[in-house]
Amino acid sequence: QKEVEQNSGPLSVPEGAIASLNCTYSDRVSQSFFWYRQYSGKSPELIMSIYSNGDKEDGRFTAQLNKASQYVSLLIRDSQPSDSATYLCAGLIWGAGSYQLTFGKGTKLSVIP
Amino acid sequence: DGGITQSPKYLFRKEGQNVTLSCEQNLNHDAMYWYRQDPGQGLRLIYYSQIVNDFQKGDIAEGYSVSREKKESFPLTVTSAQKNPTAFYLCASRSGGGLNYEQYFGPGTRLTVT
Repeated sequence: QKEVEQNSGPLSVPEGAIASLNCTYSDRVSQSFFWYRQYSGKSPELIMSIYSNGDKEDGRFTAQLNKASQYVSLLIRDSQPSDSATYLCAGLIWGAGSYQLTFGKGTKLSVIP
Repeated sequence: DGGITQSPKYLFRKEGQNVTLSCEQNLNHDAMYWYRQDPGQGLRLIYYSQIVNDFQKGDIAEGYSVSREKKESFPLTVTSAQKNPTAFYLCASRSGGGLNYEQYFGPGTRLTVT
């Protein structure tokens, strides 16, 4: 099993709907997680971090962490066409004296006007 | 204006030439990272450094070299030994190596080798 797995999509949602992006992780991954948004041709931009079980809300974004199921999700409410991008889920793994991020391959989201 | 800068944005080289990609940060972050991104492959870690004058190999270090002589700078050299160097190269930094530190990326350098 890959350390962090995501459905590559594409995920298409209509404008104004809720987009739900999901990620599962292996036992090797420590329980701090990060969601990045990457527009085509650009570098990843950090949009959410979550360190404890439960929900964390920031504007239209909600990150959810379920440690028992080893599952992380990102909900985007009132989706806008500008949310169309690839969303990368990342967790931390321990190696050589420090933690490093390990990334899923990303889910491509398309918000249809 | 704090952040991570990478230069150049686009780089073209002939096969067999070494090339150095620049990464500078003024965030006072201790840890710096180099990733490579290929279509459908996700982000793969090349090298990382937690402190000055120390660095570690990541998952795909073969054909690459780095140095960390200053806290602010972490240049990456793509050598002629790298079999498939054409890719999008991303530099990143974090303020620490523990669990609750966020990582930020520079704008990237797109390298094309022909």
